[in-house]
Amino acid sequence: GESVGLHLPTLSVQEGDNSIINCAYSNSASDYFIWYKQESGKGPQFIIDIRSNMDKRQGQRVTVLLNKTVKHLSLQIAATQPGDSAVYFCAENREDAGRRALTFGSGTRLQVQP
Amino acid sequence: DSGVTQTPKHLITATGQRVTLRCSPRSGDLSVYWYQQSLDQGLQFLIQYYNGEERAKGNILERFSAQQFPDLHSELNLSSLELGDSALYFCASSAGLGRDEQFFGPGTRLTVL
Repeated sequence: GESVGLHLPTLSVQEGDNSIINCAYSNSASDYFIWYKQESGKGPQFIIDIRSNMDKRQGQRVTVLLNKTVKHLSLQIAATQPGDSAVYFCAENREDAGRRALTFGSGTRLQVQP
Repeated sequence: DSGVTQTPKHLITATGQRVTLRCSPRSGDLSVYWYQQSLDQGLQFLIQYYNGEERAKGNILERFSAQQFPDLHSELNLSSLELGDSALYFCASSAGLGRDEQFFGPGTRLTVL
């Protein structure tokens, strides 16, 4: 079954190339950011997170960059593989009146061409 | 496999009906979150429970309600269903109160006819 995404921006890359997916977040009070990957018919899967006291965090083949000045987040995937094809969501987490909630971006569809 | 389970996987019902979606969090996680994912609204946070108590509320309609039981499983009740309620409903769980990684279940696809 398909998930949200009929009208998502799409990034198409060749297998082996690097991918960069961008996200603008809305609230300067957000202090925790997460990237999720969602494959068709599945729930979102955690990829990497970053807290607001950091500018960069690296994982296995993925790097997240945070620019708080312009409220911008990016996900870099090195040596993109066909299995990376999915919808990618950024999410911001902030405390509001003592409660925390996760706000998701609209998503970007990544298509990896073999 | 995230360790979060949701039932049923698919649900088809008619307008005006009521349904219950069930979620079992990962072992040891105390927080359960519910999200709605529709084509035109993306992933929307509905509600969070922590150790049996409501912790945070998002864009949840008054026709919807949830609870978390002593064994930490959670149910989302949707009543007076409308066509626009057709969506994927995801449950997620985390160990803490919300500033930690959330693990998502496979979702329940609700179709209201």
